[in-house]
Amino acid sequence: KAGVTQTPRYLIKTRGQQVTLSCSPISGHRSVSWYQQTPGQGLQFLFEYFSETQRNKGNFPGRFSGRQFSNSRSEMNVSTLELGDSALYLCASSGDTQETQYFGPGTRLLVL
Amino acid sequence: GENVEQHPSTLSVQEGDSAVIKCTYSDSASNYFPWYKQELGKRPQLIIDIRSNVGEKKDQRIAVTLNKTAKHFSLHITETQPEDSAVYFCAASSSYKLIFGSGTRLLVRP
Repeated sequence: KAGVTQTPRYLIKTRGQQVTLSCSPISGHRSVSWYQQTPGQGLQFLFEYFSETQRNKGNFPGRFSGRQFSNSRSEMNVSTLELGDSALYLCASSGDTQETQYFGPGTRLLVL
Repeated sequence: GENVEQHPSTLSVQEGDSAVIKCTYSDSASNYFPWYKQELGKRPQLIIDIRSNVGEKKDQRIAVTLNKTAKHFSLHITETQPEDSAVYFCAASSSYKLIFGSGTRLLVRP
């Protein structure tokens, strides 16, 4: 099976802009989770989607949002970008149990 | 809120020695505890996991132990090799989310 894929891999934006990141899960996986990874804060949970429904979300401002499509592909959007949003954004997919998660390569976002 | 504490933040061992990384979680409803290895510039990779109904699990040189009463779990790597050098993350799962520890940078000296 093909692994989790994320696009784009690298992105440079300026403050105030918005960005949309995409994640394609492993075939058959219906759960997609998103994480922000920074050197100072480690891996922080953003939100989890299962069958197009958000089941849980982390402690991030409303500028961070996501959605999942009927084919399980997921997108996350960050509006009004801030310098502090510069990070590696990772998605992970898993089967119905949401437990064993497999990570994608990540999208590295730089906000200038 | 839920929290996972991980220690130590850095660990340097001689090749062939053992390495132990410890984590403590706060949410008593946590029922699944994976460990991930992340090499520089790469994605986290699952190396071993344990569920709340099991106390210990071993896979070749890697073992994980879980103490539900103390809300504590540990990763043990025996006969360490230079290729074990990486950042290791523990995590605890409940309510459809994984909470990660802050990571341990393991350096195995040849």
